[in-house]
Amino acid sequence: DVKVTQSSRYLVKRTGEKVFLECVQDMDHENMFWYRQDPGLGLRLIYFSYDVKMKEKGDIPEGYSVSREKKERFSLILESASTNQTSMYLCASSLQARRYEQYFGPGTRLTVT
Amino acid sequence: GIQVEQSPPDLILQEGANSTLRCNFSDSVNNLQWFHQNPWGQLINLFYIPSGTKQNGRLSATTVATERYSLLYISSSQTTDSGVYFCAVPEETSGSRLTFGEGTQLTVNP
Repeated sequence: DVKVTQSSRYLVKRTGEKVFLECVQDMDHENMFWYRQDPGLGLRLIYFSYDVKMKEKGDIPEGYSVSREKKERFSLILESASTNQTSMYLCASSLQARRYEQYFGPGTRLTVT
Repeated sequence: GIQVEQSPPDLILQEGANSTLRCNFSDSVNNLQWFHQNPWGQLINLFYIPSGTKQNGRLSATTVATERYSLLYISSSQTTDSGVYFCAVPEETSGSRLTFGEGTQLTVNP
């Protein structure tokens, strides 16, 4: 079974803090994704990565950056957290050969106060 | 880009009832996924079904790609089936990206 893990289920941070959200997959997947989910807005793609050190912007990259130094790990960074980044963050991964079959982690519910 | 519509938006059932959820998409696709988001927020893969019919226990799914829809059937529903069901299709012009529908919120009452 594919396993995608995220570093925290719940996180509370203060405005202006630098926040790191970590995602690890154990199935040697090439592709990794970060989404945020908000009521009424559905799932929106923030960033994705096709390979180590490769990244591409999704639909809402502003205020975020990412890092992929190892194939199994994809980090989402909030450089200076703001209250409008309070959200559910979901990480996913997929194998390039079946690239549209994404597997999701349990999610991190981030609150910025 | 491709549009994905799910219906109904909300569904309330009594335990034991059957239901059908629908996913329509605006363009031809060669892949489709169904997910269940549980009350804790995790999206669980249900089916990866580009065409045809698949079954897994009380759940089954059918995709008719030529007519641009997919159906998810839940039989003998249980309270643990509650949550949001999403379908997602590829954005062919954007690598590995998926476009998600807005989901069907299912509530199964005991």
